[in-house]
Amino acid sequence: SQTIHQWPATLVQPVGSPLSLECTVEGTSNPNLYWYRQAAGRGLQLLFYSVGIGQISSEVPQNLSASRPQDRQFILSSKKLLLSDSGFYLCAWSTQGARGANVLTFGAGSRLTVL
Amino acid sequence: LAKTTQPISMDSYEGQEVNITCSHNNIATNDYITWYQQFPSQGPRFIIQGYKTKVTNEVASLFIPADRKSSTLSLPRVSLSDTAVYYCLVGDLYNFNKFYFGSGTKLNVKP
Repeated sequence: SQTIHQWPATLVQPVGSPLSLECTVEGTSNPNLYWYRQAAGRGLQLLFYSVGIGQISSEVPQNLSASRPQDRQFILSSKKLLLSDSGFYLCAWSTQGARGANVLTFGAGSRLTVL
Repeated sequence: LAKTTQPISMDSYEGQEVNITCSHNNIATNDYITWYQQFPSQGPRFIIQGYKTKVTNEVASLFIPADRKSSTLSLPRVSLSDTAVYYCLVGDLYNFNKFYFGSGTKLNVKP
């Protein structure tokens, strides 16, 4: 069965510090991968998506970047965090091409607080 | 992608049936309708997916009229644990999708 791992679960970082959130998927190959952010009391904002290794598309200009060094690994990074980067970060995957496909499966999330 | 519109919030009582409607006027021929449920501090989880008419699983039913411009998620006999945000998304089943979540519907189930 497919599983998605996301870490760290919680982190508190000072403004200006770097960030690295990691997401890995097991049990599937060539998944579409997504990073979302959810601010307190708000909906999910699509940040990045990837359809393959090294292929990253950004949805919103921001202080963050993403990379996909391996088929089932997706990393969200920042060189210098801003207060506005605080939020709940969710990684998700999907596949396509069959009935029941294109359903997003989410990780447990990483809650980032920037102070 | 077809944009979706849902009520911001709904209230219900335990044991009642809850129907949440989503409008997707610009749905494309290959688009499927998928509903997700999100609890606080968790990622959304899949509830049900359908293309037309009616789909039922152990959790919910999904009603889709012939013109497919709307859909209704039906939760039978809700309990307090069904208090959550419910999202309706529309997307192509066979091609890559950028999934945009709207504000969703906050369902508040009261005792």
